Amino acid sequence: DAGVIQSPRHEVTEMGQEVTLRCKPISGHDYLFWYRQTMMRGLELLIYFNNNVPIDDSGMPEDRFSAKMPNASFSTLKIQPSEPRDSAVYFCASSPDRGSNQPQHFGDGTRLSIL
Amino acid sequence: AQKVTQAQTEISVVEKEDVTLDCVYETRDTTYYLFWYKQPPSGELVFLIRRNSFDEQNEISGRYSWNFQKSTSSFNFTITASQVVDSAVYFCARTSPSNTGNQFYFGTGTSLTVIP
Repeated sequence: DAGVIQSPRHEVTEMGQEVTLRCKPISGHDYLFWYRQTMMRGLELLIYFNNNVPIDDSGMPEDRFSAKMPNASFSTLKIQPSEPRDSAVYFCASSPDRGSNQPQHFGDGTRLSIL
Repeated sequence: AQKVTQAQTEISVVEKEDVTLDCVYETRDTTYYLFWYKQPPSGELVFLIRRNSFDEQNEISGRYSWNFQKSTSSFNFTITASQVVDSAVYFCARTSPSNTGNQFYFGTGTSLTVIP
C-alpha cells in the first residue's frame, strides 16, 4: 500500500520566495494533518482537515502560511513570503476516521531551508 | 493541560543493554489513546504502538515492551538487548477525543544512541 506521499523531499530557496509543499494522503483516510518539526519546538501541529474541510488552523504561525485541500487526495501548504525562520521539516500525516484511537501515518517529510 | 512529557532528552547505551524511555502525560479525559513513534536518522516517523486508556496490560513485541500505568499517568517503553538500529528519536503521544476527532499531543522526544 502506498503511504503518505510528500513532495518535494528537499527545498532550498531564498527568503521572500513562495514555497509550496504537497501531500497525498493514504487513500480512504478522512483526516489530514500538517506538522512542522524544529529542534527548538519539536513537532507542532499547524492545521488539520477532515473530509477536505479545515478544522483547526490555530497552529498556523501567521498569515504567511496557508493550507488547502481541494480534494480527498491532495493538500498543499504554502508559505508566502518565506523567511529563514520557516526552515524546518514539514510533515504531512493522515488517519482513517474520526476516532481518537487511530494512529496517524506520516509522510517522509519535506526538509525546507530558507536562505 | 494536555502535556506529554519525555524528561529524558538524550540517552546513550552500549549495544545489548536494556533501555527504558519514560513518558508521562496529563489528562482529565477518561478515554484517550497513547502512542509511541520512532524517528530514525532518515527522518520518517514510524508508528510503533497504540494503547487505550482502559487496557493496562503490558505489551511485548519482540525486543520492545510497553508498561502503561494509569495510576501514575505513565506509558514507558523498554527496548531489551538494544541494537545499533534502535538508534533514533522516540516520541510518545496522546490523543484527545473531541467532536471533530483526532488531535495528537506529542512529547518532545528522546534521542537514543546505541553504541556498538
